Amino acid sequence: GNSVTQMEGPVTLSEEAFLTINCTYTATGYPSLFWYVQYPGEGLQLLLKATKADDKGSNKGFEATYRKETTSFHLEKGSVQVSDSAVYFCALSEGNDMRFGAGTRLTVKP
Amino acid sequence: EPEVTQTPSHQVTQMGQEVILRCVPISNHLYFYWYRQILGQKVEFLVSFYNNEISEKSEIFDDQFSVERPDGSNFTLKIRSTKLEDSAMYFCATSQVTHGTGELFFGEGSRLTVL
Repeated sequence: GNSVTQMEGPVTLSEEAFLTINCTYTATGYPSLFWYVQYPGEGLQLLLKATKADDKGSNKGFEATYRKETTSFHLEKGSVQVSDSAVYFCALSEGNDMRFGAGTRLTVKP
Repeated sequence: EPEVTQTPSHQVTQMGQEVILRCVPISNHLYFYWYRQILGQKVEFLVSFYNNEISEKSEIFDDQFSVERPDGSNFTLKIRSTKLEDSAMYFCATSQVTHGTGELFFGEGSRLTVL
């Protein structure tokens, strides 16, 4: 079945550091891929998405490219801020079935 | 900005009691979902609902769970006889289209604690 594996956390970075959170997926067909973010005390919010191979999703300085050849959708940001501290979830959707990864907690220190 | 609202934000209940969690979807959304997140663990799909019926459910969604949209606005998740392992954060999500390509909009969650 479909599944998502993402890098275990927690991840702690200093402000302005480069961020990568790895995500790989297993799917039977051609899924859409998402990154959701959960700030403390809040629900999940869509951060970015890509619906087909080689698409790049981007938002708020974050980027992820849908790589079919490596079945990956790694999240990157060139310079993180304290306000980026949150839990990040990689997700895969095919039809009406959305699967989430376990989440990666990011803490950014000033 | 339209949002999904959930009530209660936190409920504490005794094992064996019935619990109803409520969700008010964004008004023009047609697809509704419940997910749960046990503390520190992954977000797990429970059920999806479209056109007043369940369209898909996971193996977690057994006979003790049910969903309905009784008045055309609230979307509810009922747990008939709660167990300790039902303690989790329950998230309602809605979308305009099937989320294969669309975005899911999540509520802030209802924390359920079963004692």
